[in-house]
Amino acid sequence: AQSVSQHNHHVILSEAASLELGCNYSYGGTVNLFWYVQYPGQHLQLLLKYFSGDPLVKGIKGFEAEFIKSKFSFNLRKPSVQWSDTAEYFCAVSRYSSASKIIFGSGTRLSIRP
Amino acid sequence: GAGVSQTPSNKVTEKGKYVELRCDPISGHTALYWYRQSLGQGPEFLIYFQGTGAADDSGLPNDRFFAVRPEGSVSTLKIQRTERGDSAVYLCASSLSGAQSTDTQYFGPGTRLTVL
Repeated sequence: AQSVSQHNHHVILSEAASLELGCNYSYGGTVNLFWYVQYPGQHLQLLLKYFSGDPLVKGIKGFEAEFIKSKFSFNLRKPSVQWSDTAEYFCAVSRYSSASKIIFGSGTRLSIRP
Repeated sequence: GAGVSQTPSNKVTEKGKYVELRCDPISGHTALYWYRQSLGQGPEFLIYFQGTGAADDSGLPNDRFFAVRPEGSVSTLKIQRTERGDSAVYLCASSLSGAQSTDTQYFGPGTRLTVL
């Protein structure tokens, strides 16, 4: 069965620090990859997604993620975080052949010190 | 237009009772999804509708859980004989067409179910 691992449960950074959140998945076939974000008191929303093509994907608010197939990884990055990036971040995967069923990781809580 | 809406926002019930949770998808979206999110976990897939039919119900945990979408729009998730372990936030999402892998799923605010 597919699974998604997010290694950092809680990350605390100061403003302007660089961010990298780890994500690994287990599935050998073709996958779709996602990062979702949930800001305090708000709905879960899509940050970025990878389906095919360039493995470096750019999303909203300056976030990007790189798909490294050989490492089964899809790490999220941002060069300089802001206080408003405080949120819960979820990595997720779906099989290309069953794109509707998204499997989520357990999430990483990001806290930014002003 | 309006996003995905879910009612009620909070539901408290007693063990053994029956509950219904409602989801209104984004207008025009043919695909609808239910997920369950327990404390400290990511959302867990339950069921996916394409139009009126359940295209994938592999995530429903047991036969106490059932969902319908009779007219291809609003969906109701029904839980019989609730147990304390059913306590979670139930999320609904919709997308334009579930058949396209590139479609984005848009999530609602969720219903927080507490079983006492």
